[in-house]
Amino acid sequence: DIQMTQSPSFVSASVGDRVTITCRASQGINSWLVWYQQKPGRAPKVLIYAASSLQSGVPSRFSGSGSGTDFILTISSLQPEDFATYYCQQANSFPLTFGGGTKVEIK
Amino acid sequence: QVQLVESGGGLVKPGGSLRLSCAASGFTFSNSYMSWIRQAPGKGLEWVSYMSGSGSDISYADSMKGRFTISRDNARNSLYLQMNSLRAEDTAVYYCVRYSSSPQRAFDIWGQGTVVTVSS
Repeated sequence: DIQMTQSPSFVSASVGDRVTITCRASQGINSWLVWYQQKPGRAPKVLIYAASSLQSGVPSRFSGSGSGTDFILTISSLQPEDFATYYCQQANSFPLTFGGGTKVEIK
Repeated sequence: QVQLVESGGGLVKPGGSLRLSCAASGFTFSNSYMSWIRQAPGKGLEWVSYMSGSGSDISYADSMKGRFTISRDNARNSLYLQMNSLRAEDTAVYYCVRYSSSPQRAFDIWGQGTVVTVSS
């Protein structure tokens, strides 16, 4: 199985900050990487698919990059509604696997 | 409107069984790969199983093989998960999810989740 490792697991940031979250796959997954956002008590929602494609309706302050084993999610200017937990997920091969999550909290 | 609504969760004793249901609306269910994903309390996301639109392609996470069975009824736009030999570690919120195989390869539609608690 492909292991997905996210870092950091916790980020404390202020509104307006630039935030980057890293996801590393245990083996190459081409560009088959998805980023999700989850707020407490809610189901996750897709932010980025295929490593860098913005899901319809997602604000452009979210962006993704990377290929192979190393990927980055960037929030260019953190907004109050962005405080949440973020997960990466590899979509290269089954079983589909998720990273452990990164919680973004208010500083 | 596009919607997935799960039901069937509850409290069950270790070794017991439970059947989860998911009602889909607002999209072509019969053409859609569907999955179950779970999230233990305070933990991350874990993929459980998926089934193709026709039902011919099925896969399970290793820890669920032999205990969980996914099925669907396209006439009823419904997905199911039969869970047997339940363990405490199966306690989680179970989400019914559509898997968009092309072009996104992403879980793009999620239900609100149903809570399964395995405890004596």
